Amino acid sequence: GAGVSQTPSNKVTEKGKYVELRCDPISGHTALYWYRQSLGQGPEFLIYFQGTGAADDSGLPNDRFFAVRPEGSVSTLKIQRTERGDSAVYLCASSPVGAGADIQYFGAGTRLSVL
Amino acid sequence: QQQVKQSPQSLIVQKGGISIINCAYENTAFDYFPWYQQFPGKGPALLIAIRPDVSEKKEGRFTISFNKSAKQFSLHIMDSQPGDSATYFCAASASNAGKSTFGDGTTLTVKP
Repeated sequence: GAGVSQTPSNKVTEKGKYVELRCDPISGHTALYWYRQSLGQGPEFLIYFQGTGAADDSGLPNDRFFAVRPEGSVSTLKIQRTERGDSAVYLCASSPVGAGADIQYFGAGTRLSVL
Repeated sequence: QQQVKQSPQSLIVQKGGISIINCAYENTAFDYFPWYQQFPGKGPALLIAIRPDVSEKKEGRFTISFNKSAKQFSLHIMDSQPGDSATYFCAASASNAGKSTFGDGTTLTVKP
């Protein structure tokens, strides 16, 4: 079956612009995670949804970052007033019911470049 | 504060050799320790995982060794193959935490 899909695969934007990154999880997966992976580093947790609600948003670096999952499926990560330091690969993962963080299926990520 | 420290940063092994990657953690609430494999342009994929109630878990050529008292765990890849060349990440999570903390990764190159 289809895996986690992230669009776009690449996004180039200018400093100060607004961007939206989309994640389509595996069908039926209730948990959805966003991570940020900088060059040469491991994924860094941003936010975790259980259904429609954000169960843990402690990893969002500041109020320029926001994520939604209005219908409990597709999620959008929104970044306002982008900065060059936001450049990274943004990864989305999903988990089936009851698996929690134990089984996370990752998408290929969106590579964000802020010029 | 980096809660999961991984070493080495890079590793070169001859085909057929053993690859060993080490991780150390600080948070004693962690109770699930997965290893992920990542190829260029792809997301991480779960390789093997262990819970602290056992000291070792083996799946095919991949083995995790776990030392709870030292708060360390390692990945051993036996009979390493060129197709194993990838970046490997250790991670740790706590029950019901809903998130994983990752190490910084090890780039493994297996020479034919």
